[in-house]
Amino acid sequence: KQEVTQIPAALSVPEGENLVLNCSFTDSAIYNLQWFRQDPGKGLTSLLLIQSSQREQTSGRLNASLDKSSGRSTLYIAASQPGDSATYLCAALSGGSYIPTFGRGTSLIVHP
Amino acid sequence: EAGVAQSPRYKIIEKRQSVAFWCNPISGHATLYWYQQILGQGPKLLIQFQNNGVVDDSQLPKDRFSAERLKGVDSTLKIQPAKLEDSAVYLCASSSTLGTDYGYTFGSGTRLTVV
Repeated sequence: KQEVTQIPAALSVPEGENLVLNCSFTDSAIYNLQWFRQDPGKGLTSLLLIQSSQREQTSGRLNASLDKSSGRSTLYIAASQPGDSATYLCAALSGGSYIPTFGRGTSLIVHP
Repeated sequence: EAGVAQSPRYKIIEKRQSVAFWCNPISGHATLYWYQQILGQGPKLLIQFQNNGVVDDSQLPKDRFSAERLKGVDSTLKIQPAKLEDSAVYLCASSSTLGTDYGYTFGSGTRLTVV
């Protein structure tokens, strides 16, 4: 059974810092890994999708990497802004089940 | 393209009452999921549909929860009777395939409070 862990659970940084959010998964037989953003009381917004054959994906100030062999993915946020404050979730789509398994998320606060 | 639509946005009910949530996926998306997200936790899958057939409902509390997907499009999730521990955000997601190619798109969710 796939298990996904996100570290840290919470993070508070000053505006302008570069930061890294971590996601680890126990079963390396994944199709893809997807990063989401969730604002309080809202649904999930997809940020980046990395296929199992890819090493990284970039969108603006966001860069996500994937290392299947070590069971890890990282989300890098450059030059953080207060508007980046939200909870970031990763989900691994495992082979066979086609059901994405989510981590508990990292709650990020970027203060001015 | 229009996103995944969910209604209502919020619902407050007393325990032992019943409640229903509605989801309209992105047009043409064959796969539909219902997730339960308790405060401070990641989403947990309740049920997965492929067209109008159930693929996985192993984590659906079938004594009180039920779901259907009429004609392979809209879906309804029902809770009867509700318990205090059902307080959560209920998220609907859809995918054009099984999620392997393009991932998933989520709706805004329905926040349920059981008092």
